[in-house]
Amino acid sequence: GQNIDQPTEMTATEGAIVQINCTYQTSGFNGLFWYQQHAGEAPTFLSYNVLDGLEEKGRFSSFLSRSKGYSYLLLKELQMKDSASYLCAVSKASGTYKYIFGTGTRLKVLA
Amino acid sequence: DVKVTQSSRYLVKRTGEKVFLECVQDMDHENMFWYRQDPGLGLRLIYFSYDVKMKEKGDIPEGYSVSREKKERFSLILESASTNQTSMYLCASRGGEPEQYFGPGTRLTVT
Repeated sequence: GQNIDQPTEMTATEGAIVQINCTYQTSGFNGLFWYQQHAGEAPTFLSYNVLDGLEEKGRFSSFLSRSKGYSYLLLKELQMKDSASYLCAVSKASGTYKYIFGTGTRLKVLA
Repeated sequence: DVKVTQSSRYLVKRTGEKVFLECVQDMDHENMFWYRQDPGLGLRLIYFSYDVKMKEKGDIPEGYSVSREKKERFSLILESASTNQTSMYLCASRGGEPEQYFGPGTRLTVT
């Protein structure tokens, strides 16, 4: 089957670091995406990993291990505005337009 | 900036009505998508289109149809709305980059 797993909810404190994990099992892999979605709003693109390793973009970093079917999103210096859902998604094959999304991790940042 | 707009933010329809959800993108993207998002289930792909008049079924096409007569516009049609189609509907588009750009969503309630 095809499956993407991520924790349902996480809580962290303003200024801290939080790591949101994502594991996947798919028939084919051509990249992993992270999106941020504030309540009632559209998902917005955060990062894309197609090769193993860490991609850093400001306060956000994303890591991929294809052999382990594992990714994480690292958020540093947490701010209240980072309270949102974080969606992990996998593109299954080059040239296909179909992505599989996880159910999302709802992150609450506390003062 | 890519802009994806959807015709309504909120919509209330009666069971059996024909419902049209419209999506327009302004970046000349070839690929457009319709998803529904439900709590605990994440984003699920209903239909996508990779060119004008071209469409393919996603993971949950039953009860839906689509139309793409112009490159910038992708319509989702519920031929006979049912209560189990109450959901948040998200449109997205994608060009040459791997990421998708989402519209603000339409929250549809079928009573």
